[in-house]
Amino acid sequence: QKEVEQNSGPLSVPEGAIASLNCTYSDRGSQSFFWYRQYSGKSPELIMFIYSNGDKEDGRFTAQLNKASQYVSLLIRDSQPSDSATYLCAVNPWTSGTYKYIFGTGTRLKVLA
Amino acid sequence: KAGVTQTPRYLIKTRGQQVTLSCSPISGHRSVSWYQQTPGQGLQFLFEYFSETQRNKGNFPGRFSGRQFSNSRSEMNVSTLELGDSALYLCATSTTGNRNTEAFFGQGTRLTVV
Repeated sequence: QKEVEQNSGPLSVPEGAIASLNCTYSDRGSQSFFWYRQYSGKSPELIMFIYSNGDKEDGRFTAQLNKASQYVSLLIRDSQPSDSATYLCAVNPWTSGTYKYIFGTGTRLKVLA
Repeated sequence: KAGVTQTPRYLIKTRGQQVTLSCSPISGHRSVSWYQQTPGQGLQFLFEYFSETQRNKGNFPGRFSGRQFSNSRSEMNVSTLELGDSALYLCATSTTGNRNTEAFFGQGTRLTVV
């Protein structure tokens, strides 16, 4: 089982719709969770982080965390063509002195104009 | 506030050569992590440094090494390059690398081995 799993996509949504991106993780002791956006040929850009169960909103983005289900998601409201990118879920387990971020392989999002 | 700076941006090397990549973190960031990104494998963790000490290492051969200087700048070195080492090498820096700290990436160094 991979440590952080994401559906590779592509996930296609029409412009203006809500895009829902999902991520599951295997280490139950994981403490913090991140969403990065990566455009083709560019480096990952941090867009959201969440540390506590529940929802966290930032503009058009909402991160949702459910530690009991080991599940984190990212909702993008009013999706725009410029949101088309690969979205990477990352987990910082921070257990047993583990200082690293573990990444999923990413979900490719396509927003259709 | 300056971001994470990686140099060089692009490199072309021949098999068997060695290469050194550099990462200058955001001011105040003392944790530097290195990742290799390839289309098939995604982001693979190489190693993490904090206060000149390697705290974590990924599953890469000994040809991959790194170090960190007292000013938190980090370098990684790959010796005896192989074709499979062609990838985007990214560094990410954070204040401490501990829980609840965000990591920010540099622009990456794209290494091509021919």
